[in-house]
Amino acid sequence: DSGVTQTPKHLITATGQRVTLRCSPRSGDLSVYWYQQSLDQGLQFLIQYYNGEERAKGNILERFSAQQFPDLHSELNLSSLELGDSALYFCASSVTQGPGETQYFGPGTRLLVL
Amino acid sequence: GNSVTQMEGPVTLSEEAFLTINCTYTATGYPSLFWYVQYPGEGLQLLLKATKADDKGSNKGFEATYRKETTSFHLEKGSVQVSDSAVYFCALSDPLSHAGNMLTFGGGTRLMVKP
Repeated sequence: DSGVTQTPKHLITATGQRVTLRCSPRSGDLSVYWYQQSLDQGLQFLIQYYNGEERAKGNILERFSAQQFPDLHSELNLSSLELGDSALYFCASSVTQGPGETQYFGPGTRLLVL
Repeated sequence: GNSVTQMEGPVTLSEEAFLTINCTYTATGYPSLFWYVQYPGEGLQLLLKATKADDKGSNKGFEATYRKETTSFHLEKGSVQVSDSAVYFCALSDPLSHAGNMLTFGGGTRLMVKP
């Protein structure tokens, strides 16, 4: 158990809908990262927050957004869902954001868009 | 940009066989290198890491050495067990990239160990 929690574990929804994925980092970790794992794209970095502020963006679609709240939990919002958004979404956390710092991953949320 | 290339799987071995999973990387700066493991139905767990050239990371019998001259970080284990069956991901973080500490992953290598 990494100490990172994600809810829900599974999510099934329809195209065009909007969903929210939630992540609670390890106690004391200030940095939260979101990754998408899909069969065709592999594991890709989406976005990072540090102590409530956005710090880095990767291959995140404009239909996707995220935020980190004062209690440091984070939410990833996916809207206007398409079939291709079906994937496993991971959250990871680290103490700060230093070079070489270990990121601890949650168990993921499996999203299926029908 | 940064990239990580790992050998395609699946790799199928008998118990107690020697394991090597190759990983090479391209980075603009001096990256830190990681191996993560994903067991079926679970998230990624850090297996080992190395933060500078010639460092050796090790954990649970697995080892990998950061080779700057060959831009490689191959994973090895002397004697695999059935419980090592999983997907292994090589990854890097490059502090000089625009996205700081983000991880860039290879495609993953599935290892299957037979009794």
